[in-house]
Amino acid sequence: QQPVQSPQAVILREGEDAVINCSSSKALYSVHWYRQKHGEAPVFLMILLKGGEQKGHEKISASFNEKKQQSSLYLTASQLSYSGTYFCGTENQAGTALIFGKGTTLSVSS
Amino acid sequence: GAGVSQSPSNKVTEKGKDVELRCDPISGHTALYWYRQSLGQGLEFLIYFQGNSAPDKSGLPSDRFSAERTGGSVSTLTIQRTQQEDSAVYLCASSLPAYGYTFGSGTRLTVV
Repeated sequence: QQPVQSPQAVILREGEDAVINCSSSKALYSVHWYRQKHGEAPVFLMILLKGGEQKGHEKISASFNEKKQQSSLYLTASQLSYSGTYFCGTENQAGTALIFGKGTTLSVSS
Repeated sequence: GAGVSQSPSNKVTEKGKDVELRCDPISGHTALYWYRQSLGQGLEFLIYFQGNSAPDKSGLPSDRFSAERTGGSVSTLTIQRTQQEDSAVYLCASSLPAYGYTFGSGTRLTVV
């Protein structure tokens, strides 16, 4: 039940936008997004819960389409600090552990 | 504490030896998770503890792997008779229900 992320990699220049997609073959209770920089631990970005509640921070947004079992992460006006690998984690039922996708590597250059 | 603490940060062990990895979660976080990340790979779920409930062990790759969580706080992941394919970064995370995970810095395990 590992979610599928696309694209695998994105290369951007500062100021450009990117969208990272995450899809599941099973119904979703929640979707989490994390960013991991090389050699560091993943850092929580955002959680989207069934029913539309959204919790997060930073200048990054996300959507959650429960019917399509998909989530998308939107990075607008990218900054150098956005570089890293983005993982979505999905929870099929409340109270279970996240299963993570294989990640999307984002490279932002000046 | 301020964050999730893991020890040791690095561990080199000989094939066939047992290792113990420790995780000290954020105080008050009821959920604790172990994941494994091989070089350049994603996060592989291992085990999940939630309060006093029975742990979800569905991700443990073999019976050489076990984990416990004492007093609802500190957790230890034990790998018996280590193999070279066990080499990876082992990440611990904690959270409150329906909130994001806070990950520790991980233990890099190298089996030689």
